[in-house]
Amino acid sequence: SQKIEQNSEALNIQEGKTATLTCNYTNYSPAYLQWYRQDPGRGPVFLLLIRENEKEKRKERLKVTFDTTLKQSLFHITASQPADSATYLCALNNAGNMLTFGGGTRLMVKP
Amino acid sequence: DTAVSQTPKYLVTQMGNDKSIKCEQNLGHDTMYWYKQDSKKFLKIMFSYNNKELIINETVPNRFSPKSPDKAHLNLHINSLELGDSAVYFCASSQDVTGQDYGYTFGSGTRLTVV
Repeated sequence: SQKIEQNSEALNIQEGKTATLTCNYTNYSPAYLQWYRQDPGRGPVFLLLIRENEKEKRKERLKVTFDTTLKQSLFHITASQPADSATYLCALNNAGNMLTFGGGTRLMVKP
Repeated sequence: DTAVSQTPKYLVTQMGNDKSIKCEQNLGHDTMYWYKQDSKKFLKIMFSYNNKELIINETVPNRFSPKSPDKAHLNLHINSLELGDSAVYFCASSQDVTGQDYGYTFGSGTRLTVV
């Protein structure tokens, strides 16, 4: 069956460190993968998209990698801040271009 | 200006009632969606419309009926509400059916509680 797996346990890190979140998938062949941020009581907000032929994408303090052999994407936040605390969701498209989401990982950045 | 707006934000209703959730986007996007986020926080696609035409209808009970009067609006009507329908419902839109480049823009959600 198709699965998108993110660590359901919260990730706690100290301010200033790099946060690394993992997204693994099985039985998908996505053309691209997206990352979103969701704050409590709000809808997800689009952060980054990476295509299957791209190894890495950067935007300010964010970096995403995409390994189609390992079927994995890593999401990094460098110099993390308490304001980065949120749930981060990965999403990828299936054959019908429908975006399917993982369950998200909650990040807590402590001052 | 709110890009994707949903109303109401909260909806508490009794089992068996019929209710509607409205969604409007002012981004000029062609494609709109309804997602359901359950208590475990999983976001599941329910419906997708492109230029008022239904393109995706996941396995959703036929008590749920989307309606798109124009490409800027996608409303969700639910008949005979059940306890299991309690969740947060998100409307979203994208430039086109692929959602590439700029991803999806989500509304702030409607928390539906069926008692």
